[in-house]
Amino acid sequence: QVYLVESGGGVVQPGTSLRLSCVASGFTFSSHGMTWVRQAPGKGLEWLAMIWFDGSKEYYADSVKGRFTISRDNSKSTVYLQMNSLRADDTAVYSCARHWRLGYNDYWGQGTVVTVSS
Amino acid sequence: IQLTQSPSSLSASVGDRVTITCRASQGISSYLAWYQQKPGEAPKLLIYAASTLQSGVPSRISGSGSVTDFTLTISSLQPEDFATYYCQQLSTYPFTFGPGTKVDIK
Repeated sequence: QVYLVESGGGVVQPGTSLRLSCVASGFTFSSHGMTWVRQAPGKGLEWLAMIWFDGSKEYYADSVKGRFTISRDNSKSTVYLQMNSLRADDTAVYSCARHWRLGYNDYWGQGTVVTVSS
Repeated sequence: IQLTQSPSSLSASVGDRVTITCRASQGISSYLAWYQQKPGEAPKLLIYAASTLQSGVPSRISGSGSVTDFTLTISSLQPEDFATYYCQQLSTYPFTFGPGTKVDIK
């Protein structure tokens, strides 16, 4: 059974940083790309970033480019999202998802809540 | 690439045929997925490659379209289908989602 478990969320002040983690199990992590997606309260899904299976390529949404960094440690079956210069509009549930085939997200975590507030 | 969905919400009854459209701002071939999300749950992949049903998804759900215009159809709405539906393009990074269509009970 595939599991994706996010952690690292919390309440932080604007301008600060946070690192989210997503631990995967139940599949060969090093064979799959991974994506971070967020959902602000009452809003839709927003694709944020993805990293290839071997970490060789990364892609970002314009809204987070230059502030967020995705990375992975295949030895720990973990993907990370380093978030810097956080703003109030970054408040959301952050979820990781597994890539399947061309990048479709076939398994998702339940998410971790990030609240940016002074 | 921007995706628009219509309608943004709809009310329907069990047994109704429901159609949701997704339009891309530029051609994306068939690189489109549909997801279903229920409150408090993670999204679920329903359709990939515009028209291929993901394993385990009931056959009353179907997808069609290519290039810029796509459709998700539920042939006979069931109680478990009341949810929000999102399209996603996977033609060009960033892989954007549509704004969603909420299907609720009439």
